[in-house]
Formats: sequence, structure tokens, C-alpha cells
Amino acid sequence: ETGVTQTPRHLVMGMTNKKSLKCEQHLGHNAMYWYKQSAKKPLELMFVYSLEERVENNSVPSRFSPECPNSSHLFLHLHTLQPEDSALYLCASSQGGRNSPLHFGNGTRLTVT
Amino acid sequence: GQNIDQPTEMTATEGAIVQINCTYQTSGFNGLFWYQQHAGEAPTFLSYNVLDGLEEKGRFSSFLSRSKGYSYLLLKELQMKDSASYLCAAVGDTGFQKLVFGTGTRLLVSP
Repeated sequence: ETGVTQTPRHLVMGMTNKKSLKCEQHLGHNAMYWYKQSAKKPLELMFVYSLEERVENNSVPSRFSPECPNSSHLFLHLHTLQPEDSALYLCASSQGGRNSPLHFGNGTRLTVT
Repeated sequence: GQNIDQPTEMTATEGAIVQINCTYQTSGFNGLFWYQQHAGEAPTFLSYNVLDGLEEKGRFSSFLSRSKGYSYLLLKELQMKDSASYLCAAVGDTGFQKLVFGTGTRLLVSP
């Protein structure tokens, strides 16, 4: 399998649930990202892991918690989400460096009820 | 502030040429990306420009004018499969989100 793989493709969860999104990249890249894509809004960067070091984004609520155990795997742990968190969550990887193109996964469509 | 502007939606006919414009304002500038995203799928990389001028890749070309803060994506010999959203993203050099995305232009190609 090649590229960037995300699971699950679809997720419906209640506001009291805890769930995790998984991302795996097979491209040998050294940076991984979580993006949020909402209707009619620009892609919003949530977290960056470069060489397994997390870059903080203070605007993301603490109910989203990333984990990057190695350069190929990335998780987004979700707990006590709100309905406005319903969106498409995209994982991406790159060679690192701001001029390297991003390679995206197909995303997880999350619905919070 | 940092801002990207691109049209929300465009329509065109199969076989025609369409130009999707993008204007940007960033703190510093280190290049501009174009991505294509089909409905329900991942965005895929189309082009990267950092110098002024036109870069051609088959039916797709991308143009950049740094002095005007302007780029466009040119699609020739349109095909039905080109119906997708096209995302413009500029690379700044300050702040957490150095790569600033526009909201995307939804292109509908009709027969």
C-alpha cells in the first residue's frame, strides 16, 4: 500500500464518547499534519509533527489530542467533542520544509451528535 | 494579516479553457501551491510556483506574479473529470500556519 491512509473513513460519535483517528504514511516523509476541512472555510492546520516533535497550535481546543509514536503513524484522539467539530479531518505528510508539497489522505468524515 | 482570495465557483464546457485566479496576502512569501480535490477525496498536488512566470504541466499551467500578489491556474482542453475544487495555498514565513489556504474554487465542467 502506498501514500497516506486514514481510518476510519466515516465516524459518528456522541459528545461524551472518546474515539481516535488513525493515519499512516508509506512515503518516507519526516513531517505529518492534521488539518480540519469545514464547508466553505479554508483548510485549517491543527497540528504539525516534524521529526516527531510536535508544533503547538494554541487555537485548537484541548478536546483534540494528537499523538505521533513514530514518523509513519499519527493519531488524533477525540473526547467530549461539540457538534461544531463535525468536519472532514485530513492527515497529510511531507518531506518537511515549507516548500515541500503535502500528500493528503482521503480524510475521516466526522459527525458529532 | 494573511489572506487568500479565489472565486467560489466556476462553470465551463468540455473542451474549453478555464482560468482560476488567486490573490494572496501573506507575511513574507515563499511560493504558491495549487491542489485539486475531487468530492469525497484527498487534495492532490498540482503545481508549485516561487518565481514569476508560467509553469506548464500538460493540460495544466500555473502562473505567478509576486509583485501583484497574484496567481492563476489554467486548465486547457477541459474534461469532465476536471470537475473538482481547486485550492490555492500561499507559503508565508511567520506564524504557526505558514501555509495559508484559500476556500477553494469549485469547477463544474458540463458536456
